[in-house]
Amino acid sequence: DAMVIQNPRYQVTQFGKPVTLSCSQTLNHNVMYWYQQKSSQAPKLLFHYYDKDFNNEADTPDNFQSRRPNTSFCFLDIRSPGLGDAAMYLCATSARGGTDTQYFGPGTRLTVL
Amino acid sequence: GIQVEQSPPDLILQEGANSTLRCNFSDSVNNLQWFHQNPWGQLINLFYIPSGTKQNGRLSATTVATERYSLLYISSSQTTDSGVYFCAVGDSGAGSYQLTFGKGTKLSVIP
Repeated sequence: DAMVIQNPRYQVTQFGKPVTLSCSQTLNHNVMYWYQQKSSQAPKLLFHYYDKDFNNEADTPDNFQSRRPNTSFCFLDIRSPGLGDAAMYLCATSARGGTDTQYFGPGTRLTVL
Repeated sequence: GIQVEQSPPDLILQEGANSTLRCNFSDSVNNLQWFHQNPWGQLINLFYIPSGTKQNGRLSATTVATERYSLLYISSSQTTDSGVYFCAVGDSGAGSYQLTFGKGTKLSVIP
């Protein structure tokens, strides 16, 4: 009964080569989130969508973009990955907003060579 | 922004022992969740508990919102409980969707 699905689970890219990570959900939740988690650190929110409204955190680099073509899917695009972008990328959803439980996918571990 | 502190940072337990993990936060919250991050990196929901007490099997949690702390109790620990436990809060004053995470408690349960 997978609820939040992320593909691929592991992604290797080259320095500067664009990469796209995907997330899908079967919960029909309005809100979808992307978090970045570097080694031995806590997850950090990059941005979120409330329905089709995109909300970027103030310190999210311009190198990171996102798309949400429909309720079920959300994509994270890294336009020119640097070595510092190597991390675990976690997708999460919640039903309505900040006061609701967030459910996380298994994550995509990105390696930049 | 809201600050979240977790203690202890590291904990080693013998299998079968009990433990208490603590989360302190600096402001009023409208959301508090406890997660277990398994060795493969997935964050597993344990509790949604902005106030009150909940129990689920060997795990229980209590949040005292007025005193700005939450506790996670693990009883009769098992090796599968190993991993990092995160507390994450939502700041009720900011109207934000963001969950702010503590730095986590790394638990190692040895047989």
